[in-house]
Order: sequence, then structure tokens, then C-alpha cells
Amino acid sequence: QKEVEQDPGPLSVPEGAIVSLNCTYSNSAFQYFMWYRQYSRKGPELLMYTYSSGNKEDGRFTAQVDKSSKYISLFIRDSQPSDSATYLCAIGGSGGSNYKLTFGKGTLLTVNP
Amino acid sequence: DAGITQSPRHKVTETGTPVTLRCHQTENHRYMYWYRQDPGHGLRLIHYSYGVKDTDKGEVSDGYSVSRSKTEDFLLTLESATSSQTSVYFCAIRRTGNTGELFFGEGSRLTVL
Repeated sequence: QKEVEQDPGPLSVPEGAIVSLNCTYSNSAFQYFMWYRQYSRKGPELLMYTYSSGNKEDGRFTAQVDKSSKYISLFIRDSQPSDSATYLCAIGGSGGSNYKLTFGKGTLLTVNP
Repeated sequence: DAGITQSPRHKVTETGTPVTLRCHQTENHRYMYWYRQDPGHGLRLIHYSYGVKDTDKGEVSDGYSVSRSKTEDFLLTLESATSSQTSVYFCAIRRTGNTGELFFGEGSRLTVL
């Protein structure tokens, strides 16, 4: 079983829809949970970051972490064509000198006007 | 802007030739990372560094070596490039302060013919 699993999609929605993106992970030692957005031919940019269970909201974006189920989600409300991108979940371990992020494969989202 | 510069941004080379990619940061952070990104595989860690001359392997390190002789530069070398190393390579930094996020450069697109 891979450490981080993410449905690769692709996902196509109409403008204004609510989008739900999800990842599961296998290692209960993971402590840091992130979502990145990546536009075509660009580097990943950090969208949301949390290190605890629960919800975190930032504008139209909500990140949700359920450590008991090893499940993380990103919700996008009132989706816009500019949200069309690949979304990557990323999960990090307990820190220290060997800290690294493990990524899901990414979900390609297209928001149609 | 995370102050990361990758060079070259694009390179085409032939099988068997050596290639070095450079990652330069302006903010003096301790942790630096090299990932590769391929369709169907997402971002995979090649090598990382947690200080000058301190490096370690990631999940796809075979065929790659790294060096970090000063804080601001992290070099990735392909001693003898193969077609399977055709990829987009991303450098990332982790900011000082034990936060979990990584910040990425714009990528180096390598084609090995």
C-alpha cells in the first residue's frame, strides 16, 4: 500500500460547483497535512496547511483532516475557471533532520465557465 | 516568492552524458529537496539535504547524486543520463522554524534523447 493515495481524476465541474478532493494515508505518524495547487508548467504552490485534526478555512477553500480515519480533504466552494489546476495532497512526518513530504499523485481539476 | 532559482530551466541532452541541475536559494534555509515529477507518478523525492554536506536519499535516488558545499546551493547530478530520467525536476526548501511546508521552485525540464 502506498503511503499516500489520491484519486487522479480528472475532475470536470461547472463554474460555481463545490469541489471535493480527497487523500488517504497509511502512516499514523504523519503530522503535517498540506494541499498544493499546480498550474500547467509551473511549480507547486502551497494552498493550505494544517497539523491537527479538524477543519481549516481560507476564503473559498476548506481543508479537513481526520487522523482517526487517515483521511484528508480539500473543499472548494463557488469554484472558478481560475481554479483549474492539478491539486496535490502532501503529508509530512514527525520532523527532525529527516523530515520530508510524501505527495499524492495529484487530481486534475477543470472548472468550466 | 520563496527565493528559489533553478537552472537550467530547460535542457535536452543525450543518453550517457552527465547533467547537473542547480538550485539556488537566497534565504539561507537549512533544508533543501530535489523531487522529480512524472505523469502517473506525481512528485517523488530524489535526495534531500539538512545542512551543508549533510544529505540523504529519497525514494528514487538511483542514478542521482547531490552535493551541498554551501547553504545556498544544492546540486543534483546525473552521472550518465538515461531516457528514464527525462522528467521535470523541482527543488524545494523548508523554511527555518520547524514548520512543515515546503516551497518549490519553478522546475527544470530535462529531456534525455
